[in-house]
Amino acid sequence: QVQLVQSGAEVKKPGSSVKVSCRASGGTLGDSTFLWVRQAPGQGLEWMGRIVPILDIANSARRFQGRVTITADKSAGTVYLEMTNLKSEDTAMYYCARTSLLDIWGQGTMVTVSS
Amino acid sequence: EIVLTQSPDFQSVSPKESVTITCRASQSVGIHLHWYQQKPGQSPKLLIKYASQSMSGVPSRFSGSGSGTDFTLTINSLEAEDAATYYCLQSSSSWTFGQGTKVEIK
Repeated sequence: QVQLVQSGAEVKKPGSSVKVSCRASGGTLGDSTFLWVRQAPGQGLEWMGRIVPILDIANSARRFQGRVTITADKSAGTVYLEMTNLKSEDTAMYYCARTSLLDIWGQGTMVTVSS
Repeated sequence: EIVLTQSPDFQSVSPKESVTITCRASQSVGIHLHWYQQKPGQSPKLLIKYASQSMSGVPSRFSGSGSGTDFTLTINSLEAEDAATYYCLQSSSSWTFGQGTKVEIK
């Protein structure tokens, strides 16, 4: 079964950027859609955006537009989430998940934004 | 944006009792409504897809129903391992999650 393996925890300063990766085991993204979801400490789940690598289509939720870029490297079987102009409120666990049903999730990447 | 409202926010239940969680959508999502279980320190896990279809390996005590704007997740004969937060998700128009329902075992 496909597994999604995410990059390690990050600590960033306010105003900086972060790029989180999510690699599909087996090295292929296939024709799947991949979503990014975040969860602030003690809070609920929030959809951030999605990418369909085989179609080169990506879009983000309205509240993140202009700050979030979702990309994929098909040859590496990896999708990426980049967020710019980080604020303390962006401190959260960031998850990637596969397909529009989010049937398989990565283990999460903790991003801490602190001065 | 479609808003999903879950109720209750929290429920404390004794083992072997049943739990019912509702999820109401601000507009029709058809059956594009899915349920997830998240235990502390873990990634969410898909339990029910398309309102009522159980995922492979999910215990039969979990069931889902509904369509349109009103949906229900029922857990029959609750077990200690069911202590978790449960979320609904709509995928009819982009994606939005409900705020979550925390289920505690007494």
